[in-house]
Amino acid sequence: NAGVTQTPKFRVLKTGQSMTLLCAQDMNHEYMYWYRQDPGMGLRLIHYSVGEGTTAKGEVPDGYNVSRLKKQNFLLGLESAAPSQTSVYFCASSYFIRNQGTNQPQHFGDGTRLSIL
Amino acid sequence: GENVEQHPSTLSVQEGDSAVIKCTYSDSASNYFPWYKQELGKRPQLIIDIRSNVGEKKDQRIAVTLNKTAKHFSLHITETQPEDSAVYFCAASNGGSQGNLIFGKGTKLSVKP
Repeated sequence: NAGVTQTPKFRVLKTGQSMTLLCAQDMNHEYMYWYRQDPGMGLRLIHYSVGEGTTAKGEVPDGYNVSRLKKQNFLLGLESAAPSQTSVYFCASSYFIRNQGTNQPQHFGDGTRLSIL
Repeated sequence: GENVEQHPSTLSVQEGDSAVIKCTYSDSASNYFPWYKQELGKRPQLIIDIRSNVGEKKDQRIAVTLNKTAKHFSLHITETQPEDSAVYFCAASNGGSQGNLIFGKGTKLSVKP
């Protein structure tokens, strides 16, 4: 049971390049999230998904796109990278008990450190 | 929307002392409050969480208290050890259909041996 796996772990891009970050979870979680972490800013939600085929915007969605074609995978795309997107990106997943309206703990991956020059 | 404030931003204690980190939230509908510990270069890891139907929860040296009236919750670490040194994040969620967490900006705890 690997939990939440993120690839790649590190990447350096030039301004204007595109790339996709992959998140995979083997816990059969319905909910998946992408965060970015910047110094002194905590974790900020970029996009999230409440199930296969569905995605929604979080707090800081501009410049990013996501897809959830399979329940276990959640992809984060940067179409045209900008220096302001230099950050550490974390993926997380969780169960959600719909009928009870409660949250369950989010489990995080190890992160992707992305630098954009 | 929800806003979570966390204090202090840095905290230094001597080994064996207690440490307290406080968070306030703005949305009275919030009902789930997890705390995460993040060591340098590592992933955030859940250390304890509390739901709005209880006022306190304890797990060995770690405890969390919740005051719904005042809309604040606190993390208490007793008998601190050097391995407790890390950044701690609080978060809040209203348990809506999205289950989204709003995080505080973090507290860097240093435990001096």
